Amino acid sequence: DTAVSQTPKYLVTQMGNDKSIKCEQNLGHDTMYWYKQDSKKFLKIMFSYNNKELIINETVPNRFSPKSPDKAHLNLHINSLELGDSAVYFCASSHHGTSGGTDTQYFGPGTRLTVL
Amino acid sequence: AQSVTQPDIHITVSEGASLELRCNYSYGATPYLFWYVQSPGQGLQLLLKYFSGDTLVQGIKGFEAEFKRSQSSFNLRKPSVHWSDAAEYFCAVGSLGGSQGNLIFGKGTKLSVKP
Repeated sequence: DTAVSQTPKYLVTQMGNDKSIKCEQNLGHDTMYWYKQDSKKFLKIMFSYNNKELIINETVPNRFSPKSPDKAHLNLHINSLELGDSAVYFCASSHHGTSGGTDTQYFGPGTRLTVL
Repeated sequence: AQSVTQPDIHITVSEGASLELRCNYSYGATPYLFWYVQSPGQGLQLLLKYFSGDTLVQGIKGFEAEFKRSQSSFNLRKPSVHWSDAAEYFCAVGSLGGSQGNLIFGKGTKLSVKP
């Protein structure tokens, strides 16, 4: 009964390919996120979705596109992969803060993407 | 702009010794503060959080943290470290209002435990 799950756990691909990472949460949360963790372990938010609507889109190349078919899923599509996209990508979810702020975020296990 | 600083990149302590990991934040309004732990090859697990109220918060695995507004700090402590505590620790600040759900992370502190 994993709370936040991601697939695949590892993804190795060639430059220029298009790939997707899936995320699902069974916590009943209404907000989901994607974070990127670089080789120095630095975590930075990429996207946030609340009730299927984008509410944060940090400076991320438009090759990255989140897709939310429903509140429980937030998938990450990446087009024309580049070497610099190699990283660990984490999905997270939370309730929307009652005062519009941050509520506790629960993270998935991560997807290690390696672009060759 | 919001920011989180974890001054120590890597700390080594002996098993059984006490631990303090430092975290300083910069945020103009009331911060929400979190500590997460990441074991090798794993995702992030929430250790504890501070939203309001008592400034000393207790978390899982025997960890605690103290919010000190005057010092803009939220240091993590444990009285006696176990070998299984070896991991990467991240401090994060979230907003009350503003950019909803925007968690800003520090760069992490790697904890090594000597037998």
